[in-house]
Amino acid sequence: EVQLVESGGGLIQPGGSLRLSCAASGFTVSSNYMSWVRQAPGKGLEWVSVIYSGSITYYADSVKGRFTISRDNSKNTLYLQMNSLRAEDTAVYYCARDQTAAGRYIDSWGQGTLVTVSS
Amino acid sequence: QSVLTQPPSVSEAPRQRVTISCSGSSSNIENTAVNWYQQHPGKAPKLLIYYDDLLPSGVSDRFSASKSGTSASLAISGLQSEDEADYYCASWDDSLNGWVFGGGTKLTVL
Repeated sequence: EVQLVESGGGLIQPGGSLRLSCAASGFTVSSNYMSWVRQAPGKGLEWVSVIYSGSITYYADSVKGRFTISRDNSKNTLYLQMNSLRAEDTAVYYCARDQTAAGRYIDSWGQGTLVTVSS
Repeated sequence: QSVLTQPPSVSEAPRQRVTISCSGSSSNIENTAVNWYQQHPGKAPKLLIYYDDLLPSGVSDRFSASKSGTSASLAISGLQSEDEADYYCASWDDSLNGWVFGGGTKLTVL
């Protein structure tokens, strides 16, 4: 069974840093495209970043230069390093698995971890 | 402002049929697959439709979808109270090299 479990969220002051983790089970992170998607309170879904199985990465303009996506193959874990955090980064952050076999779609989501940026 | 455009809300009576539209562009919907997600309050999104009109295993066949050009739509027939949720369309955008989502549509079953 595919499972994604995020951790690392919390309350952080503006300008601070936080690293989110996403522990995967039931599949191999390094063999899949993996994304981070966030959802601000009461708002819709917003894509943040993706890492391909070959380690190519892409970022939304809103986080480019501040966030870094990475993975640890030995731990089967995906990460999101978030620096220079702003109030508008406050959101539930979901890690997700991309599928590319039949079209492209996100088929699995974690339960999310809440990041609150506030002084 | 979301890249994909959805109506903020729709409502319909139980056992009736409702459709939710999603409008995009040539860099996303027209040339890549459209996917639909259901999200109940406080829960993670759940894949409802992938590759424009395919149902994942376990999803009720009351859900269906279609796509034409730069627009797509989700249809839900035989509405039930449990269908009350937010629905999002999503598509990979080849110009942005990222996922784009609709703003979400809140479905109310009257």
